[in-house]
Amino acid sequence: TQLLEQSPQFLSIQEGENLTVYCNSSSVFSSLQWYRQEPGEGPVLLVTVVTGGEVKKLKRLTFQFGDARKDSSLHITAAQPGDTGLYLCAGHLNLGGGKLIFGQGTELSVKP
Amino acid sequence: NAGVTQTPKFQVLKTGQSMTLQCAQDMNHEYMSWYRQDPGMGLRLIHYSVGAGITDQGEVPNGYNVSRSTTEDFPLRLLSAAPSQTSVYFCASNRDRNQPQHFGDGTRLSIL
Repeated sequence: TQLLEQSPQFLSIQEGENLTVYCNSSSVFSSLQWYRQEPGEGPVLLVTVVTGGEVKKLKRLTFQFGDARKDSSLHITAAQPGDTGLYLCAGHLNLGGGKLIFGQGTELSVKP
Repeated sequence: NAGVTQTPKFQVLKTGQSMTLQCAQDMNHEYMSWYRQDPGMGLRLIHYSVGAGITDQGEVPNGYNVSRSTTEDFPLRLLSAAPSQTSVYFCASNRDRNQPQHFGDGTRLSIL
C-alpha cells in the first residue's frame, strides 16, 4: 500500500496544453516536496510547501498544499517539451521522524 | 562542492554475492538516506540516519544493512544479493528534518 498516491502515473500531452498532477494521502504531512528527475540523474527539488492551503508559483508551475495537509497538486500551464521528465511528490509524515515518503511518480511527456 | 557522491555508478552481481554501495557527502548534513527506485513505484526508503551513530529502518529494509560511523559517509551493504534487489539505488542527504534532500546520481545494480 502506497502512503502517498500520485496520479496520473503517465501523461502524454501536446505543447501548450495545461496539466495537473495530484498527490493524495490519508495521513497528515508536516511538509511536502515536489521533485523533478531527468533520466540517469537523481531527483532535484522544485518546491517545498509547509502550511495548509499554501500556494507557491515557480514560473509556469503552481504548487498547492491541501488545507488538511494530506494532499498536494502540481499544475503546469502551457507545457513545453523542456517540462518532460519524472515528477515526484514526497512528504515528511507529521509523526514520522526523519523519513521522507515518496509517491510513485508521474512520467510526463510533452510533444512539440 | 561535490555534494552527494555515490560509487560505483554501475554494478553487476551474481546471486549470493555481497557488496557495499558507497555514499559520501561534503555538506556536513546530519540526515542521510538510501532509496531504491523501481518502475512505477517511485523511490522507496531502505534505511536512513539522523546523525552519526544513529540509523533506522525505512519501508523496505530487508536484505540491506547500513552504518553511520561518520557524518560524511553512509554505506549500504547487501549481504547476499538476490535478483529482487536489481534496482537503481539513490543516496540523499539533508541538513535537518524538513530541509530538501540532495541526491546523488544513483548506482544501477543488476543481480543475475
